[in-house]
Amino acid sequence: RKEVEQDPGPFNVPEGATVAFNCTYSNSASQSFFWYRQDCRKEPKLLMSVYSSGNEDGRFTAQLNRASQYISLLIRDSKLSDSATYLCVVNRHFGGSQGNLIFGKGTKLSVKP
Amino acid sequence: NAGVTQTPKFRVLKTGQSMTLLCAQDMNHEYMYWYRQDPGMGLRLIHYSVGEGTTAKGEVPDGYNVSRLKKQNFLLGLESAAPSQTSVYFCASTRGWGDTGELFFGEGSRLTVL
Repeated sequence: RKEVEQDPGPFNVPEGATVAFNCTYSNSASQSFFWYRQDCRKEPKLLMSVYSSGNEDGRFTAQLNRASQYISLLIRDSKLSDSATYLCVVNRHFGGSQGNLIFGKGTKLSVKP
Repeated sequence: NAGVTQTPKFRVLKTGQSMTLLCAQDMNHEYMYWYRQDPGMGLRLIHYSVGEGTTAKGEVPDGYNVSRLKKQNFLLGLESAAPSQTSVYFCASTRGWGDTGELFFGEGSRLTVL
């Protein structure tokens, strides 16, 4: 099993739709989780961190399920500008950054008019 | 606000040539990273640094060398370029993981090795 796995998509959805992505991770010792967004031919940028209690930022909701070792990202009321690749990122260890960030390959979202 | 700046942004090399990618950050971050991104492979860590004068190997270090002589700069060198090193290279930096754990990326350097 790969350390971080995502469905590559593409997810093609109409504007206004709700779409959800899942990401599974293999290392139960992982402590920190993030969603990054990457636009075509651009650099990745942090979208949101994922906390144990879940967190919401406007139309975006992130959830963590430690028992099943997956994190999710829910986007409500999709906008054309949400079209991008969403990267799931897992940090193997709590604290420290000694090269322990693992990036998923990303899930591509395309929002259509 | 410059953030993380990479130079050059594009480069074409012939097999066997050498080159250096420069990454500069103006955020006083301790940690800096070099990643490569290939289609279907995601981001893979090449080398990283946890402070001035320190470097360490990441997931795919072979064929690359790095140096961090100044806190704000992290250089990635290819001594003898190979076609397998054709990729998009991203530099990133972060202060630490106590807060958001946010990585700040440069815009990327697209390297083609013929």
